[in-house]
Amino acid sequence: QVQLVQSGGEVKRPGASVKVSCKASGYSFTDYDLNWVRQAAGQGLEWMGWMNPSNGETGYAEKFQGRVSITRITSITTAYMELSSLRTDDTAVYYCARAPKCGTRCHYWFDPWGQGTLVIVSS
Amino acid sequence: DIVMTQSPDSLAVSLGERATINCKSSQTVLSVSNNKNHLAWYQQKPGQPPRLLIYWASTRDSGVPDRFSGSESGTDFTLTISSLQAEDVAVYYCQQYYGTPPTFGQGTKVEI
Repeated sequence: QVQLVQSGGEVKRPGASVKVSCKASGYSFTDYDLNWVRQAAGQGLEWMGWMNPSNGETGYAEKFQGRVSITRITSITTAYMELSSLRTDDTAVYYCARAPKCGTRCHYWFDPWGQGTLVIVSS
Repeated sequence: DIVMTQSPDSLAVSLGERATINCKSSQTVLSVSNNKNHLAWYQQKPGQPPRLLIYWASTRDSGVPDRFSGSESGTDFTLTISSLQAEDVAVYYCQQYYGTPPTFGQGTKVEI
């Protein structure tokens, strides 16, 4: 079955970086887009960015421009989201989510989602 | 950014009764290219990731019970659970995928 399995939780100091992985299985990795969405405790969902795994094209929410990088290694069907210059308000659960392929600045619904990775930023 | 506003923030419904969740977009999410509203609904249970219920405003995803339905009227969208079951207790989110960035409503908590 289609599955996205994310790496485990992390605890980071303010100013550090975190890199979360998302291993895809059960489908052709390059046939779908991959998105990253975060959710602070008790809060709503916030889209961070997107990647086309077939060519590595990416797009990021303006809020995270310059701090986020989404990459992939197609041979192991794994995508990565790296967030730098962490602040305490970056503490959240980070999700990867698959979407039908659409194109630049084009989006569809997210299905399925990874199980989530809790990133805690604390001094 | 397109702002999605859900109402109510929470509601309590008896088992077997109807639950109605509203979502309003700050601007159109209707695509002229396919004449479809770019609107999805998700269910999120505690400690779990969101689960897709509906896309194109009214198309149920595979495996979603038919007690879940979506409707649309201009920039107003509704998710209806026709007969609430205990397993439907969750937070529900709408999401527009018409504009960049994709944006979500703040969520509606459904309780028994």
